[in-house]
Amino acid sequence: DAGVTQSPTHLIKTRGQQVTLRCSPKSGHDTVSWYQQALGQGPQFIFQYYEEEERQRGNFPDRFSGHQFPNYSSELNVNALLLGDSALYLCASSLGGEYSPLHFGNGTRLTVT
Amino acid sequence: GQQVMQIPQYQHVQEGEDFTTYCNSSTTLSNIQWYKQRPGGHPVFLIQLVKSGEVKKQKRLTFQFGEAKKNSSLHITATQTTDVGTYFCGGSQGNLIFGKGTKLSVKP
Repeated sequence: DAGVTQSPTHLIKTRGQQVTLRCSPKSGHDTVSWYQQALGQGPQFIFQYYEEEERQRGNFPDRFSGHQFPNYSSELNVNALLLGDSALYLCASSLGGEYSPLHFGNGTRLTVT
Repeated sequence: GQQVMQIPQYQHVQEGEDFTTYCNSSTTLSNIQWYKQRPGGHPVFLIQLVKSGEVKKQKRLTFQFGEAKKNSSLHITATQTTDVGTYFCGGSQGNLIFGKGTKLSVKP
């Protein structure tokens, strides 16, 4: 039973560029949440997707957008990258509903230079 | 907006000593979840607390949810080197909001 998979594992981008990160949820899960984790900090909630729609959003600018596909996989897009966007981006899948535990992927380490 | 705070930020213990981390929310929570993140790894779910005053145990780990459902604690008895990592609490009011975590180091 495959867990949550994310790609790529590492990425280096230049300030101002755009990036797309990908996530495949754990088998049977229908909800995908994205988190940003800066070094030494807790995961910060970006947004959550369910039934191909953004259900909830954290305090992140519109430069951060996402998508969920019919097979429940998801993408996170970040436009006009800033140095401060450098972080570990974690995807977490769940069965939906606030009582469902999150299953995290290994993350994508994004470095913006 | 909802905020979740954890203390302490760091804890260094000798193997065999006990460890406790505390989690406080600015708002009443529907449930609280605890995760452990090993160095270089991703957060892994430990447990969920839902009821006011709930206490759950997992071997040497004891989790408590406050009566007002605004605070929680994780206590580890007789720490081992395998307990090393950062422990996060996540408070839920729809989506999970995490604290900054408590980083535990254990000296053998």
